[in-house]
Amino acid sequence: EAGVAQSPRYKIIEKRQSVAFWCNPISGHATLYWYQQILGQGPKLLIQFQNNGVVDDSQLPKDRFSAERLKGVDSTLKIQPAKLEDSAVYLCASSPFASGRRDNEQFFGPGTRLTVL
Amino acid sequence: SQQGEEDPQALSIQEGENATMNCSYKTSINNLQWYRQNSGRGLVHLILIRSNEREKHSGRLRVTLDTSKKSSSLLITASRAADTASYFCATQRTGRRALTFGSGTRLQVQP
Repeated sequence: EAGVAQSPRYKIIEKRQSVAFWCNPISGHATLYWYQQILGQGPKLLIQFQNNGVVDDSQLPKDRFSAERLKGVDSTLKIQPAKLEDSAVYLCASSPFASGRRDNEQFFGPGTRLTVL
Repeated sequence: SQQGEEDPQALSIQEGENATMNCSYKTSINNLQWYRQNSGRGLVHLILIRSNEREKHSGRLRVTLDTSKKSSSLLITASRAADTASYFCATQRTGRRALTFGSGTRLQVQP
C-alpha cells in the first residue's frame, strides 16, 4: 500500500514570496490533515478535511494560509505571503473514516521542510 | 495549543537499557497515541490506547494510561540504536477526530 505522498520535500523562499505544498493521501482515506511542525516542537494542526469539506481550520492563519482539497483526494496548502516564522516542516496526514469508529490513527507523509529567508 | 507535555525532553541511554517517557494531558480523551519521528522524516504510529484501557503491549513497547491523573507512559524495553528518534504522544479528545500532539521526547540510544 502506497503511503502519503508530499512534494516538494524542501523549499527555500524569501519572505513575502508565495509557496504551495501538495499532498496525495492514502487511497480511500477520507480524512486529510495538514500540520505545521516548528523545530523542537510537536506538530500543530492547521486544517482538517473530511472528503472535500473543511472540518476544522480554527488554527489556520487565514490571512496568509489557504488550503483546498478538490475532488476529495489531493490537497494543496498555500502560504501567501510567507513570513520568517513560517519556517517549519509541513506534514500531511490521512486517516480512514468509518461512521461510528471512534479511534483515529493517522498516517503521515515525509513532510515539506520550508525555509523562509 | 499543545495538550500533551512529555518528559523528559531528552533522554540518552545505552543499548540494551529500557527507556521510559511520560506524557500528561489536560482534557478528556477518546484515546492516546504514541508516534515516532526519525530525524527529517514523517511520524510513524506506534501504539494506541483507549480511554477505557490501562495497559497495552506491542513487541518491545508497553504503554500505560491513567485517566485519573491524565497521564501516560511509554516503555521501550531492550533499546536498540535504531530506536533513536523523537517520540510524541497525541491525544484524540472526546468528540473530535483531530489529534493534539505534545512537544516530544528526544531519545538517543548509544551503541
